[in-house]
Amino acid sequence: GEDVEQSLFLSVREGDSSVINCTYTDSSSTYLYWYKQEPGAGLQLLTYIFSNMDMKQDQRLTVLLNKKDKHLSLRIADTQTGDSAIYFCAEIGPGGFKTIFGAGTRLFVKA
Amino acid sequence: NAGVTQTPKFQVLKTGQSMTLQCAQDMNHNSMYWYRQDPGMGLRLIYYSASEGTTDKGEVPNGYNVSRLNKREFSLRLESAAPSQTSVYFCASSEAYYDGELFFGEGSRLTVL
Repeated sequence: GEDVEQSLFLSVREGDSSVINCTYTDSSSTYLYWYKQEPGAGLQLLTYIFSNMDMKQDQRLTVLLNKKDKHLSLRIADTQTGDSAIYFCAEIGPGGFKTIFGAGTRLFVKA
Repeated sequence: NAGVTQTPKFQVLKTGQSMTLQCAQDMNHNSMYWYRQDPGMGLRLIYYSASEGTTDKGEVPNGYNVSRLNKREFSLRLESAAPSQTSVYFCASSEAYYDGELFFGEGSRLTVL
């Protein structure tokens, strides 16, 4: 079935790296996405990775994709208090008709 | 650009009342979506419109109806609100239904008493 799973909470100290993990089910997904939701706001696309890539780096963000295990991770280097938010992993579902979101990982950054 | 605009931002209803959530996008996107967000459950798709003139059920359509009024606007109607529909509702749009880059509105917080 269609299911994207993430752990619900992560707490890190300011300056440390954060790693948010996700498992997905649809091996035919062409793209996989990370969205960020700040308090009281809608989701915003943070980054994405094409399925034929293993890694994508964008400034402080690194996305790793393990297609064999259907595992996606988002690493945030030098985590800041402004990174406190909910992070959603997402994939395009079977048939490409809709985006399926995980439950979201709430990142707490302690000063 | 305003992006995706939802109204109202907050609403309190009594059980059995009806209401419509409005959504408009100014990015000339073909596809539009309504999601609900509940704690610990992420976003669940209620209805979507792959293109102007079409609408389809998502994961949790019961108790809702939608109208794709034109390419810009996609409304969500609750005919007889129930406490289980207390949630935060998000409208989103994308260039095409197979495009996972969605643009979201700021959300509408609905409480049904």
